[in-house]
Amino acid sequence: DIVMTQTPLSLSVTPGQPASISCRSSQSLLQSDGGTYLHWYLQKPGQPPQLLIYGVSNRFSGVPDRFSGSGAGTDFTLKISRVEAEDVGVYYCMQSAQRPLTFGGGTKVDI
Amino acid sequence: QLQLQQSGPGLVKPSGTLSLTCTVSGASITSSIYFWGWIRQPPGRGLEWIGTLYSGTPYYNPSLRSRVTVSVDTSQSQFSLKLSSVAAADTAVYYCARYFLYANTWFPDYWGQGALVTVSS
Repeated sequence: DIVMTQTPLSLSVTPGQPASISCRSSQSLLQSDGGTYLHWYLQKPGQPPQLLIYGVSNRFSGVPDRFSGSGAGTDFTLKISRVEAEDVGVYYCMQSAQRPLTFGGGTKVDI
Repeated sequence: QLQLQQSGPGLVKPSGTLSLTCTVSGASITSSIYFWGWIRQPPGRGLEWIGTLYSGTPYYNPSLRSRVTVSVDTSQSQFSLKLSSVAAADTAVYYCARYFLYANTWFPDYWGQGALVTVSS
């Protein structure tokens, strides 16, 4: 199985300031078709996870442009350009390059 | 607007079978670009993929494969999860989810609200 490791485990941020979360995979997520299948989710308190970013850097429908994703191979980053109060929760990276699909352990973001 | 409504018992006895159903509304369960499956989250812990039904073929997490079945009933617009021989370690919030076909992969793009299933006598 591909192991996904996120850092930091938790992050306390100030509204209006940027934030960054890292995700590293135990194997490259670059596939023979040229795609890299790394995705980001946010689980707000008491809610199911919601998709933020797919395919490393594509924002899902309705996701604000303050969220951006980058990376390649085994190292990936989710950035929030200016954190807002509604961004609190646990962020997860997930890979779908290889089955079983696996998730990172999560990064808890609070204000 | 897509809605995934989960139903099923919240308490299952050890060695029993966990059964959950997810009813889909606002989207076609027979879509060629969306598929259906399950993910779970033990209390206070991370997320674990259980399985997905992709174009009629089930794909399961090897850690659960011997005990899990995901099936679909298109006439009822429902899909289901059965997990047999459950133990306390199977206590978790179970999420049904829609999976999006993207290039040569699929991943959950929309999740149900989740249902806590406790395994206890």
